Amino acid sequence: NAGVTQTPKFRVLKTGQSMTLLCAQDMNHEYMYWYRQDPGMGLRLIHYSVGEGTTAKGEVPDGYNVSRLKKQNFLLGLESAAPSQTSVYFCASSYPGLAGVGSLYEQFFGPGTRLTVL
Amino acid sequence: QQPVQSPQAVILREGEDAVINCSSSKALYSVHWYRQKHGEAPVFLMILLKGGEQKGHDKISASFNEKKQQSSLYLTASQLSYSGTYFCGTPGGTSNTGKLIFGQGTTLQVKP
Repeated sequence: NAGVTQTPKFRVLKTGQSMTLLCAQDMNHEYMYWYRQDPGMGLRLIHYSVGEGTTAKGEVPDGYNVSRLKKQNFLLGLESAAPSQTSVYFCASSYPGLAGVGSLYEQFFGPGTRLTVL
Repeated sequence: QQPVQSPQAVILREGEDAVINCSSSKALYSVHWYRQKHGEAPVFLMILLKGGEQKGHDKISASFNEKKQQSSLYLTASQLSYSGTYFCGTPGGTSNTGKLIFGQGTTLQVKP
């Protein structure tokens, strides 16, 4: 099993350009998450999904959009990149359990995408 | 709502012990702990549940004080491999989303 994979690993954008980050998991997990990590800030949740076709906002959603058309994929889009979006982006997935209590189960993280916006 | 971790950084010699604390301003029913090595993804260590149940690592222990809304991670007889940044995560919102709000992290450096 590959676990959680992310593409691309690195990307440099100019201000105003757009791009999509792809996250894929092969563990049949219902829940998926997008985080950004900045020095000294920890991991901040951007958007998340509790199932195919559903998405919801996290702590820092502005400037990002997401889609979950297939259970195994979770896409993060930047429509008009800004220098403030320079960060390392991590995707994660988790299993909700039979009772649907997702916070009782670990999150599996992808290797990350390092994005620089000039 | 972000949990607060202390200390921010710790430097140890191999074999020494360390405690990392995680405090929340809201009532907790579970706390997650993750470790991230430089340039890598966070990796799950353990989950502490209300009532004392603990799931995860067999060499690192932790406690969960529901009254104080606090969890502590105990790293005993630390090894070089323990170096990294430790994050606690607490549930954000309802339990059925799996959302976590992470602390700012505690950097641990273990020297030979």
